[in-house]
Order: sequence, then structure tokens, then C-alpha cells
Amino acid sequence: KQEVTQIPAALSVPEGENLVLNCSFTDSAIYNLQWFRQDPGKGLTSLLLIQSSQREQTSGRLNASLDKSSGRSTLYIAASQPGDSATYLCAVRPRANNLFFGTGTRLTVIP
Amino acid sequence: NAGVTQTPKFQVLKTGQSMTLQCAQDMNHNSMYWYRQDPGMGLRLIYYSASEGTTDKGEVPNGYNVSRLNKREFSLRLESAAPSQTSVYFCASRLVGTGWNEQFFGPGTRLTVL
Repeated sequence: KQEVTQIPAALSVPEGENLVLNCSFTDSAIYNLQWFRQDPGKGLTSLLLIQSSQREQTSGRLNASLDKSSGRSTLYIAASQPGDSATYLCAVRPRANNLFFGTGTRLTVIP
Repeated sequence: NAGVTQTPKFQVLKTGQSMTLQCAQDMNHNSMYWYRQDPGMGLRLIYYSASEGTTDKGEVPNGYNVSRLNKREFSLRLESAAPSQTSVYFCASRLVGTGWNEQFFGPGTRLTVL
């Protein structure tokens, strides 16, 4: 069974700092990997999706990388802002219809 | 374009009561999903519907039933609610068959079973 781990579970950084969130998965046979953002009491918002054939995807201040062979992905956030405070979830798709989620990293950006 | 909508937003049930959670999407997606989110567990797949007319079990299907009413709507039913089903339930949809395969989520239903 696919296991997805996100470390750290929580992270606090001062505003303006660049940061990296980590995601690892046990089975490298995946179709794609998706990063989500979840605000307290809200649903999930898709941030980036990386296909298995890709190495990275970028959207604004966000950059996600994928190393499928080592079972790792990172989400890089540049010049963090208080509005970035949220829980970030990583999910992998090992088969056509299943997403396996990590438990998330709760990010707090301190003004 | 509302995306994925869910009703109700909140619900409190007593043990043994039944209820149906509703989900609808207006993105013409063919696949729809129900997940539950529990503290420290991450989201887990309950059931999914790869296309209209089909449903399949996910990781944690016990105690639930689903109906894919049409292409837009996918409901989740708790026949006899138990305290262990206290959770936040999310519906999601995806357009399978394209290269992108991004999954979109609804705002969630917060269910408490007493």
C-alpha cells in the first residue's frame, strides 16, 4: 500500500523567508503528484500537479519538484507572506482512480 | 461555474440515524470521489465513481453506500451512523482521459455522530 509522509508536521517562519516543504512516498510507480492547500475549516485548493514524466512545475511563487525514483517531492515557496499560512497537503496517484494523501504540513508565516 | 458543491455544510446525528450527503459538480467531469478527513490520518478514499453508472470501493468503504445519480451528482449515504463516522467528508471530481487529471474538491461536510 502506498504510504505518503510529510515532514515537518508544522513549520513557523518569518515573513519574507523562502521555505521548502517535503513529501515522500513509498511506491515510485505513480501517475502524478498533486500539492494542495487547505485553510482551517475549508476544502482543498489545488496548487500544482506534476505528471510522472515531469521534474517540476511552477506557479507564481510556488515551485514543486518530483524525483520519482527516490520517492520524493518538494514544494518551494519563495518570499513567504502571512497569507501563505495554511496546511499543505501532498497526494500521489499510484493508479488511475486513487489519490493517497499525506497528513500535511501546517505552515505559519509570522508578520 | 460553482465547481464542486456539497450539502449540508454541517450535520449532527445520533447513533443509528441515517443521512445522505449530497455532491454535485458543474465541470462535466466523469469521475467523482468521496473522502473522509480525520485528525492525524490524512484524507482517505471511501468510494469513487469512475464514470456515470459505475461505483467502486476505496480504502474505507464500510458503513457507507454511494449512488451516482447522473454525471453531475454523487451521493454518500450513512445507513446507521456510528460515532466512528464523525469526520469531515469531502467530495471531489476529475476529468479522466485528458493529460492533466487534476482533482477538484468541494468545501466539505462536517459530521458529528453522538
